[in-house]
Amino acid sequence: DAKTTQPNSMESNEEEPVHLPCNHSTISGTDYIHWYRQLPSQGPEYVIHGLTSNVNNRMASLAIAEDRKSSTLILHRATLRDAAVYYCILLTSGTYKYIFGTGTRLKVLA
Amino acid sequence: NAGVMQNPRHLVRRRGQEARLRCSPMKGHSHVYWYRQLPEEGLKFMVYLQKENIIDESGMPKERFSAEFPKEGPSILRIQQVVRGDSAAYFCASSPVGPDTQYFGPGTRLTVL
Repeated sequence: DAKTTQPNSMESNEEEPVHLPCNHSTISGTDYIHWYRQLPSQGPEYVIHGLTSNVNNRMASLAIAEDRKSSTLILHRATLRDAAVYYCILLTSGTYKYIFGTGTRLKVLA
Repeated sequence: NAGVMQNPRHLVRRRGQEARLRCSPMKGHSHVYWYRQLPEEGLKFMVYLQKENIIDESGMPKERFSAEFPKEGPSILRIQQVVRGDSAAYFCASSPVGPDTQYFGPGTRLTVL
């Protein structure tokens, strides 16, 4: 299974953009990049996913490097409610076992 | 538009008792996945079920654990003769078709005394 590497923790000020990086140097051509976040005492919440092109939705943007060996989740304006652990997960097309690492714990400062 | 529902949210059992965890998938979803999260760790896949079928139980411990997803009603994760090491958060996810993006429930936090 392809692995991802994320920083253990990051901090951001409220109302500022946040860029959460993820390295996945062994990604294969059929691996989708998924991002989930987990707020304290809650289940993982789907954020966004993509394959090759950058993606935008109401929650965030996903920027994927041209060689696909890294990606960045962008929260355009961090709020206190965005404080969570963010997981970057690779999922091969046709498979279903999400492999969660330890993620990045995002702290948002008021 | 209700999301994935799990109950109970918190469950306390003594060693040797049975634990039953329930999961109702999102409306229109017929694929269910169970994951376990130990303290300070990421989620680990346990089992994947469709209605009346177990598709993949490769992450389930061989003994004491079982799962079902009957034609009617919620999916059930059953743990017999619980031990302290079973204390964890158990999450259920569902998808409309499989494999597809999974949507998670709030989890059941099991504490074994």
